[in-house]
Amino acid sequence: DIQMTQSPSTLSASVGDRVTITCRASQSISSWLAWYQQKPGKAPKLLIYKASSLESGVPSRFSGSGSGTEFTLTISSLQPDDFATYYCQQYNSLLTFGGGTKVEIK
Amino acid sequence: EVQLVESGGVVVQPGGSLRLSCAASGFTFDDYTMHWVRQAPGKGLEWVSLISWDGGSTYYADSVKGRFTISRDNSKNSLYLQMNSLRTEDTALYYCAKEDRGYSLKYWGQGTLVTVSS
Repeated sequence: DIQMTQSPSTLSASVGDRVTITCRASQSISSWLAWYQQKPGKAPKLLIYKASSLESGVPSRFSGSGSGTEFTLTISSLQPDDFATYYCQQYNSLLTFGGGTKVEIK
Repeated sequence: EVQLVESGGVVVQPGGSLRLSCAASGFTFDDYTMHWVRQAPGKGLEWVSLISWDGGSTYYADSVKGRFTISRDNSKNSLYLQMNSLRTEDTALYYCAKEDRGYSLKYWGQGTLVTVSS
């Protein structure tokens, strides 16, 4: 089974900060990686698919990069609506989610 | 507009059984692979199972293999999850989700809560 490790698990940041979240796969997953945002009491929202493709309607301040085993989600300028928990998900071999990164207000 | 509406979540005793349903609308249901994903209270997301567009292929997480069965009825635009031999660790909000580009999950339901407790 492919394991997905996200870091950090919690991140404290301020509005306007540049934020980077990392996701590492236990083996190569090519570019089969997605990123989701989840707010309390809500279903996850797809942000990025195929490692770097921005989902329609998602603000351009979100970007994804990486391939193989190392991936990043970057928020270029953190906005108040971005405080949430973020998950990566691989689909090279069935599905696995990372443990999540909670982005908190500093 | 794509809609996924789960139902069937209740409180059940350990060892019990339950069937979850997901009613789909707003897209051609039998064109898409569908998934179940769960989230234990205060925890992260855990993929549970997937079924191909025609029901011919099904896959499960190791944690539920042999106990859960995914199925679909394309004539009713519905997805199901039969859950047997339930354990306390199966307590979670269960989401159904539609597979999309890059094998991502763009559309999710609101979830249905399963509580396994004596």
